[in-house]
Amino acid sequence: AQKVTQTQTSISVMEKTTVTMDCVYETQDSSYFLFWYKQTASGEIVFLIRQDSYKKENATVGHYSLNFQKPKSSIGLIITATQIEDSAVYFCAMRDNNAGAKLTFGGGTRLTVRP
Amino acid sequence: DPKIIQKPKYLVAVTGSEKILICEQYLGHNAMYWYRQSAKKPLEFMFSYSYQKLMDNQTASSRFQPQSSKKNHLDLQITALKPDDSATYFCASSQEQGEREVFFGKGTRLTVV
Repeated sequence: AQKVTQTQTSISVMEKTTVTMDCVYETQDSSYFLFWYKQTASGEIVFLIRQDSYKKENATVGHYSLNFQKPKSSIGLIITATQIEDSAVYFCAMRDNNAGAKLTFGGGTRLTVRP
Repeated sequence: DPKIIQKPKYLVAVTGSEKILICEQYLGHNAMYWYRQSAKKPLEFMFSYSYQKLMDNQTASSRFQPQSSKKNHLDLQITALKPDDSATYFCASSQEQGEREVFFGKGTRLTVV
């Protein structure tokens, strides 16, 4: 069974700094996909970035990048040059080939970016 | 413009009643899903549909019944509502079943009193 754990419940950073959010996962499958989503204050859930387990290179999209450490079953999200509007709850999620289309989510990390 | 429309945005229901949550997507996707988010649990997968056929049901209760009248519709009927059903229900879609990117609607917040 899949499991995703985000141990940081909340993080507060100053604007324009870099923040890293942690996520560890469990799966029995050798092929899987890892995702980060953002939930805004309005409740909207927005896809940010994805890492395929077979890829060694860390994914990067805009000011989001991933720190994929496969031996540690870890997929950290790095946000550089944070902005006030990055304040949100960030969810890590995974899907493996045995799960069909099901995404399993972590509990989320609330990020507050201070001016 | 929102591409996945959920109606209503907020819903208050009486215990024991029945409600239907509406979802329409205009992304041309063939797979649609329902997820639930409550105060007690993280985002939780409920159902997946592909080409209007049920592919996966991870909901223990038969009180939750998805309904797909059109390719781009996936409504969720909930019967005999209980206070524990109070949650935000998110509709989502992807191009195909198991496609890497899944996109979410803005949710329907259901409160059962």
